Amino acid sequence: KQEVTQIPAALSVPEGENLVLNCSFTDSAIYNLQWFRQDPGKGLTSLLLIQSSQREQTSGRLNASLDKSSGRSTLYIAASQPGDSATYLCAVKGGGADGLTFGKGTHLIIQP
Amino acid sequence: EPEVTQTPSHQVTQMGQEVILRCVPISNHLYFYWYRQILGQKVEFLVSFYNNEISEKSEIFDDQFSVERPDGSNFTLKIRSTKLEDSAMYFCASRTDGGRNSYEQYFGPGTRLTVT
Repeated sequence: KQEVTQIPAALSVPEGENLVLNCSFTDSAIYNLQWFRQDPGKGLTSLLLIQSSQREQTSGRLNASLDKSSGRSTLYIAASQPGDSATYLCAVKGGGADGLTFGKGTHLIIQP
Repeated sequence: EPEVTQTPSHQVTQMGQEVILRCVPISNHLYFYWYRQILGQKVEFLVSFYNNEISEKSEIFDDQFSVERPDGSNFTLKIRSTKLEDSAMYFCASRTDGGRNSYEQYFGPGTRLTVT
């Protein structure tokens, strides 16, 4: 059974810093990995999707990498801003499954 | 930009009552999903639906749950006899079929279900 773990569970940094959020998964036979942002009491906003054949994807100040063989992904946020404060979720789609398996998320606070 | 919508945003019901949660997926999408998130816990997959039938379901999705696409736009989740432990945020998601990012799932804002 696929398990997804995100470290750290919470992170608080001053504005302007670059930061890295980590995601690991136990079964490397994934089809893709998706990073989401969740604001308190709200839905999930898709940030980046990486196919299993890709090594990284970029969108603006966000860069996500994938090392499928070691079961790891990182989300790099450059020049963090207070508006980046949210919970960041990592989710994987298994090769034989349609539903996503989620991690518990990293709660990020960017201090002004 | 097209988005997934869900109604109601908050539903309060008594234990044992039936509830129907509604979703309008993005119009050209073909795959539809329900997930739930109990407060403080992970988002969990419930069911996926394609071509008017369930394509996959988790062990959470037992006989008290059902899904339906009653017309060309709505996708519903019915819980027949609610329990206290059904209290959660329920998310609907959808995706298209084909194209480079065909497996990217788009989520709605959620329905908060409170069972008393």
